[in-house]
Parts: sequence; C-alpha cells; structure tokens
Amino acid sequence: RKEVEQDPGPFNVPEGATVAFNCTYSNSASQSFFWYRQDCRKEPKLLMSVYSSGNEDGRFTAQLNRASQYISLLIRDSKLSDSATYLCVVNEAGGYQKVTFGTGTKLQVIP
Amino acid sequence: EAGVTQFPSHSVIEKGQTVTLRCDPISGHDNLYWYRRVMGKEIKFLLHFVKESKQDESGMPNNRFLAERTGGTYSTLKVQPAELEDSGVYFCASSHYVQGGQGYEQYFGPGTRLTVT
Repeated sequence: RKEVEQDPGPFNVPEGATVAFNCTYSNSASQSFFWYRQDCRKEPKLLMSVYSSGNEDGRFTAQLNRASQYISLLIRDSKLSDSATYLCVVNEAGGYQKVTFGTGTKLQVIP
Repeated sequence: EAGVTQFPSHSVIEKGQTVTLRCDPISGHDNLYWYRRVMGKEIKFLLHFVKESKQDESGMPNNRFLAERTGGTYSTLKVQPAELEDSGVYFCASSHYVQGGQGYEQYFGPGTRLTVT
C-alpha cells in the first residue's frame, strides 16, 4: 500500500462546479498535511496547509480526518484557472522531516 | 522576496558523465530539501539539510549521488557517473519553522530537468 494515495483522475468539471478530492495516508503518526498545486511542467506550489480543525481560504476548504486517516480538498465555484494537478503531501513528524507526496489528482475545468 | 532558484533549468548528458545541480534556497531558510520526480511517478524525497548538516539522507538512491551544502547557504547535488534511470526532474525546496503552525511549509524551486542519454 502506498504511503499517500490519491485518485489520479482526471476530474473533468464545468466552470462553477464544486469538486472534492480525497487523499488517504497510511502512517498514523503523520502530523502535518498540505495541499500543493502543480501546473504542467512547473514546480509544486503550496496551496494550503491542513489543520486539525479544518481551514478555508476563499473558494478552497481543507479538512483532516485523523480517525480515518484522510484529508480532503473542496473547491467551490471552479474556475478555468483551477485546472492543475493537486498534490497531497504528508509529513511524519512535526513538519521537520521529509514529506511524502501522493501522485496527484488532475483537475480539468471546462468552459 | 526571491524564491528558491535552481540551476540549470535543463541538462542533457550522456551516460557515464557527471552533472552538478545547484539550489539557492529562500534567504533565511535553514531547511533545504532535494526531491526527484521520474517519469510517471510521484515526487520522491532525496535528502534534507538543516543549515550545513545532513538531517536525513534516507532517500538518496545510491552512492553515485552526493549532496553538499557548505556554509549552509546554497546546495549542490552531484550525480557521478550518471545512469539512464537518473533522468527526471530534480526539485529543491526550502522552509523555515512556521511559528504556531503544525509544520514546515516548503517552497519549491522550478526544478532541473535532467536527461541522461
């Protein structure tokens, strides 16, 4: 089983739709969680950290479920510019150590 | 504030040659990481520096890879001799402690695309 698993997609959604991605992780000791966005042939860019209480940034909402060992990302009112690959990133110990990446979920927002 | 920079952006070398990649982290970031993405696979951790010290090098594939961070500023990653399977994109990232946060948010450089022929 992979340490961090994501549905690779692609998710094809119309503009204005709401879309949600899940990511599961295998190490129950994981402490820090992040969503990154990666555009084609570009570097990953931090989208948001995921806090235990859940957090929201504009149209983006991240949730953490430690009991079930998954994190989620919800995107509301999808824009064409949201088209990208969304990477789930998990860190084992307090954010200081290496992180483990999922393979990413590809989102394509269509007009 | 300047981001993480990497040089070169692309490198094409022949099997058996040597290549050195460079990473300049964000100023003030003590933590520097190297990652690699090979075709069709997820990004994989290679190693982590805290200042000039190697904190974790468990992801280094073999002894053909040598990373250094003399002086705790920029870092180099040397591959010698390069093999075909070393082809991929090598990312560098840096971070500092996020006060009150739950982890160290890492900021990535644009990557070096290495092709070994």
